[in-house]
Amino acid sequence: EPEVTQTPSHQVTQMGQEVILRCVPISNHLYFYWYRQILGQKVEFLVSFYNNEISEKSEIFDDQFSVERPDGSNFTLKIRSTKLEDSAMYFCASSAGERAPLHFGNGTRLTVT
Amino acid sequence: AQSVTQLGSHVSVSEGALVLLRCNYSSSVPPYLFWYVQYPNQGLQLLLKYTSAATLVKGINGFEAEFKKSETSFHLTKPSAHMSDAAEYFCAVNNNNAGNMLTFGGGTRLMVKP
Repeated sequence: EPEVTQTPSHQVTQMGQEVILRCVPISNHLYFYWYRQILGQKVEFLVSFYNNEISEKSEIFDDQFSVERPDGSNFTLKIRSTKLEDSAMYFCASSAGERAPLHFGNGTRLTVT
Repeated sequence: AQSVTQLGSHVSVSEGALVLLRCNYSSSVPPYLFWYVQYPNQGLQLLLKYTSAATLVKGINGFEAEFKKSETSFHLTKPSAHMSDAAEYFCAVNNNNAGNMLTFGGGTRLMVKP
Protein backbone atom coordinates (compact mmCIF):
# COMPACT_ATOMS: atom_id res chain seq x y z
CA GLU A 1 0.00 0.00 0.00
CA PRO A 2 1.34 3.45 -0.86
CA GLU A 3 2.51 5.48 2.08
CA VAL A 4 3.69 8.93 3.05
CA THR A 5 7.39 9.00 3.84
CA GLN A 6 9.18 11.56 5.97
CA THR A 7 12.86 12.27 6.39
CA PRO A 8 14.74 12.49 8.63
CA SER A 9 13.06 10.53 11.42
CA HIS A 10 14.90 12.62 13.99
CA GLN A 11 16.49 16.04 13.60
CA VAL A 12 18.48 17.87 16.24
CA THR A 13 19.27 21.52 15.71
CA GLN A 14 20.47 24.51 17.66
CA MET A 15 18.19 27.41 18.49
CA GLY A 16 18.22 29.99 15.71
CA GLN A 17 19.13 27.55 12.98
CA GLU A 18 17.01 26.81 9.94
CA VAL A 19 15.59 23.34 9.43
CA ILE A 20 13.83 21.73 6.51
CA LEU A 21 11.61 18.74 7.10
CA ARG A 22 10.94 16.63 4.06
CA CYS A 23 7.96 14.60 3.00
CA VAL A 24 7.05 12.51 0.00
CA PRO A 25 3.24 12.31 -0.19
CA ILE A 26 1.36 9.51 -1.88
CA SER A 27 1.91 9.99 -5.59
CA ASN A 28 -1.65 10.58 -6.80
CA HIS A 29 -2.68 12.76 -3.86
CA LEU A 30 -3.38 16.44 -4.42
CA TYR A 31 -3.74 17.85 -0.89
CA PHE A 32 -0.86 18.09 1.54
CA TYR A 33 -0.69 18.95 5.21
CA TRP A 34 1.63 19.49 8.13
CA TYR A 35 0.60 18.76 11.71
CA ARG A 36 2.69 18.78 14.82
CA GLN A 37 2.53 17.21 18.27
CA ILE A 38 4.45 18.72 21.13
CA LEU A 39 5.33 16.04 23.67
CA GLY A 40 2.36 15.37 25.90
CA GLN A 41 0.04 17.65 23.96
CA LYS A 42 -2.56 17.31 21.22
CA VAL A 43 -1.84 16.88 17.55
CA GLU A 44 -2.25 20.35 16.03
CA PHE A 45 -2.94 21.46 12.48
CA LEU A 46 -0.30 23.72 10.94
CA VAL A 47 -1.05 24.15 7.26
CA SER A 48 -2.75 22.68 4.22
CA PHE A 49 -1.49 23.04 0.66
CA TYR A 50 -3.23 22.55 -2.66
CA ASN A 51 -2.53 23.58 -6.22
CA ASN A 52 0.83 25.04 -5.22
CA GLU A 53 -0.49 27.37 -2.61
CA ILE A 54 -1.48 27.40 1.03
CA SER A 55 -5.21 26.78 1.44
CA GLU A 56 -5.49 26.96 5.22
CA LYS A 57 -3.11 27.74 8.05
CA SER A 58 -3.37 27.90 11.80
CA GLU A 59 -2.21 30.59 14.19
CA ILE A 60 0.85 28.48 14.90
CA PHE A 61 1.99 28.82 11.29
CA ASP A 62 3.59 32.24 11.58
CA ASP A 63 6.20 33.96 9.43
CA GLN A 64 8.99 31.66 10.55
CA PHE A 65 7.27 28.74 8.84
CA SER A 66 6.99 28.11 5.12
CA VAL A 67 6.01 25.21 2.89
CA GLU A 68 7.05 24.33 -0.60
CA ARG A 69 6.50 21.70 -3.21
CA PRO A 70 9.80 22.08 -5.05
CA ASP A 71 9.15 19.30 -7.53
CA GLY A 72 6.49 16.77 -8.38
CA SER A 73 7.15 14.52 -5.41
CA ASN A 74 8.47 16.38 -2.37
CA PHE A 75 6.64 18.60 0.12
CA THR A 76 8.77 20.48 2.62
CA LEU A 77 8.29 22.44 5.82
CA LYS A 78 10.92 25.05 6.59
CA ILE A 79 11.41 26.68 9.96
CA ARG A 80 13.65 29.70 9.46
CA SER A 81 14.93 30.37 12.95
CA THR A 82 14.09 27.57 15.32
CA LYS A 83 13.06 28.18 18.90
CA LEU A 84 13.08 25.79 21.83
CA GLU A 85 9.29 25.59 21.70
CA ASP A 86 9.43 24.28 18.12
CA SER A 87 10.59 20.95 19.53
CA ALA A 88 7.86 18.51 18.54
CA MET A 89 6.94 15.61 16.30
CA TYR A 90 6.02 16.95 12.88
CA PHE A 91 3.65 14.87 10.78
CA CYS A 92 3.14 15.23 7.06
CA ALA A 93 -0.12 14.00 5.55
CA SER A 94 -1.71 13.83 2.15
CA SER A 95 -5.17 13.13 0.79
CA ALA A 96 -6.67 12.37 -2.60
CA GLY A 97 -9.45 14.88 -2.23
CA GLU A 98 -10.55 17.85 -0.20
CA ARG A 99 -12.50 15.72 2.26
CA ALA A 100 -10.81 12.38 1.64
CA PRO A 101 -9.12 10.69 4.60
CA LEU A 102 -5.66 11.88 5.52
CA HIS A 103 -2.73 9.50 5.23
CA PHE A 104 0.00 10.38 7.69
CA GLY A 105 3.71 9.76 7.62
CA ASN A 106 5.65 8.38 10.58
CA GLY A 107 6.76 11.85 11.59
CA THR A 108 10.02 13.72 12.14
CA ARG A 109 11.00 14.35 15.73
CA LEU A 110 12.57 17.80 15.88
CA THR A 111 14.65 18.62 18.92
CA VAL A 112 15.83 22.21 19.33
CA THR A 113 18.65 22.68 21.83
CA ALA B 1 -14.85 26.64 17.14
CA GLN B 2 -14.63 22.89 16.99
CA SER B 3 -13.29 20.83 19.86
CA VAL B 4 -12.83 17.22 20.82
CA THR B 5 -12.64 15.76 24.31
CA GLN B 6 -11.40 12.27 25.00
CA LEU B 7 -12.30 11.14 28.49
CA GLY B 8 -9.48 9.15 30.00
CA SER B 9 -5.91 9.63 28.87
CA HIS B 10 -5.17 6.01 29.79
CA VAL B 11 -7.45 2.99 29.55
CA SER B 12 -6.42 -0.50 30.65
CA VAL B 13 -8.34 -3.65 29.72
CA SER B 14 -7.68 -7.35 29.88
CA GLU B 15 -7.15 -9.33 26.73
CA GLY B 16 -10.57 -10.46 25.47
CA ALA B 17 -12.45 -7.71 27.30
CA LEU B 18 -14.56 -4.98 25.75
CA VAL B 19 -12.73 -1.85 24.65
CA LEU B 20 -14.55 1.46 25.05
CA LEU B 21 -12.76 4.72 24.27
CA ARG B 22 -14.81 7.85 24.73
CA CYS B 23 -14.97 10.87 22.46
CA ASN B 24 -17.22 13.91 22.68
CA TYR B 25 -17.14 16.74 20.22
CA SER B 26 -18.50 20.19 19.73
CA SER B 27 -19.17 21.54 16.28
CA SER B 28 -21.25 24.37 14.90
CA VAL B 29 -21.84 22.45 11.68
CA PRO B 30 -22.56 18.78 10.98
CA PRO B 31 -19.25 17.17 11.68
CA TYR B 32 -17.08 14.64 10.00
CA LEU B 33 -15.54 12.49 12.74
CA PHE B 34 -12.53 10.23 12.71
CA TRP B 35 -10.63 7.80 14.87
CA TYR B 36 -6.91 7.38 14.29
CA VAL B 37 -4.52 4.92 15.92
CA GLN B 38 -0.83 5.52 16.55
CA TYR B 39 1.45 2.59 17.26
CA PRO B 40 4.85 3.30 18.83
CA ASN B 41 7.24 5.14 16.50
CA GLN B 42 4.66 5.22 13.74
CA GLY B 43 2.34 7.77 12.18
CA LEU B 44 -1.39 8.13 12.57
CA GLN B 45 -3.42 5.44 10.84
CA LEU B 46 -7.09 5.93 10.04
CA LEU B 47 -9.31 3.44 11.89
CA LEU B 48 -12.69 4.69 10.74
CA LYS B 49 -14.63 7.79 9.78
CA TYR B 50 -18.16 9.15 10.03
CA THR B 51 -19.30 11.33 7.15
CA SER B 52 -23.07 11.69 7.71
CA ALA B 53 -24.08 8.32 6.30
CA ALA B 54 -24.76 5.39 8.65
CA THR B 55 -24.41 6.32 12.31
CA LEU B 56 -22.69 3.04 13.17
CA VAL B 57 -19.35 2.97 11.43
CA LYS B 58 -17.19 -0.11 11.12
CA GLY B 59 -13.45 0.25 10.78
CA ILE B 60 -10.35 -1.84 10.56
CA ASN B 61 -9.15 -4.38 13.14
CA GLY B 62 -12.66 -5.03 14.45
CA PHE B 63 -13.26 -1.51 15.76
CA GLU B 64 -16.49 0.39 15.34
CA ALA B 65 -17.91 3.71 16.48
CA GLU B 66 -21.40 5.09 16.81
CA PHE B 67 -22.28 8.69 16.06
CA LYS B 68 -24.86 9.97 18.56
CA LYS B 69 -25.89 13.50 17.74
CA SER B 70 -28.03 13.91 20.86
CA GLU B 71 -25.01 13.10 23.03
CA THR B 72 -22.43 14.73 20.73
CA SER B 73 -20.44 11.53 21.07
CA PHE B 74 -18.47 9.23 18.83
CA HIS B 75 -17.20 6.49 21.14
CA LEU B 76 -14.92 3.77 19.82
CA THR B 77 -15.56 0.14 20.74
CA LYS B 78 -14.21 -3.32 20.10
CA PRO B 79 -15.89 -6.40 21.55
CA SER B 80 -12.70 -8.26 22.43
CA ALA B 81 -9.31 -6.64 23.00
CA HIS B 82 -6.17 -8.15 21.57
CA MET B 83 -2.65 -7.52 22.76
CA SER B 84 -1.87 -5.93 19.41
CA ASP B 85 -4.49 -3.23 20.06
CA ALA B 86 -2.20 -1.54 22.57
CA ALA B 87 -1.59 1.89 21.09
CA GLU B 88 -2.68 5.52 21.34
CA TYR B 89 -6.05 6.40 19.88
CA PHE B 90 -7.07 9.83 18.69
CA CYS B 91 -10.52 11.14 17.94
CA ALA B 92 -10.71 14.04 15.48
CA VAL B 93 -13.33 16.32 13.97
CA ASN B 94 -13.20 18.04 10.63
CA ASN B 95 -12.88 21.68 11.36
CA ASN B 96 -14.69 23.23 8.44
CA ASN B 97 -17.12 22.53 5.68
CA ALA B 98 -14.63 22.62 2.85
CA GLY B 99 -11.32 21.27 3.87
CA ASN B 100 -9.39 18.74 5.85
CA MET B 101 -8.28 20.76 8.85
CA LEU B 102 -8.68 18.27 11.67
CA THR B 103 -9.02 19.12 15.34
CA PHE B 104 -7.72 16.28 17.47
CA GLY B 105 -8.55 15.16 20.96
CA GLY B 106 -5.82 14.64 23.48
CA GLY B 107 -5.54 10.94 22.81
CA THR B 108 -6.18 7.82 24.88
CA ARG B 109 -3.46 5.30 25.49
CA LEU B 110 -4.92 1.80 25.48
CA MET B 111 -3.08 -0.84 27.46
CA VAL B 112 -4.04 -4.50 27.13
CA LYS B 113 -3.16 -6.87 29.95
CA PRO B 114 -2.64 -10.57 29.30
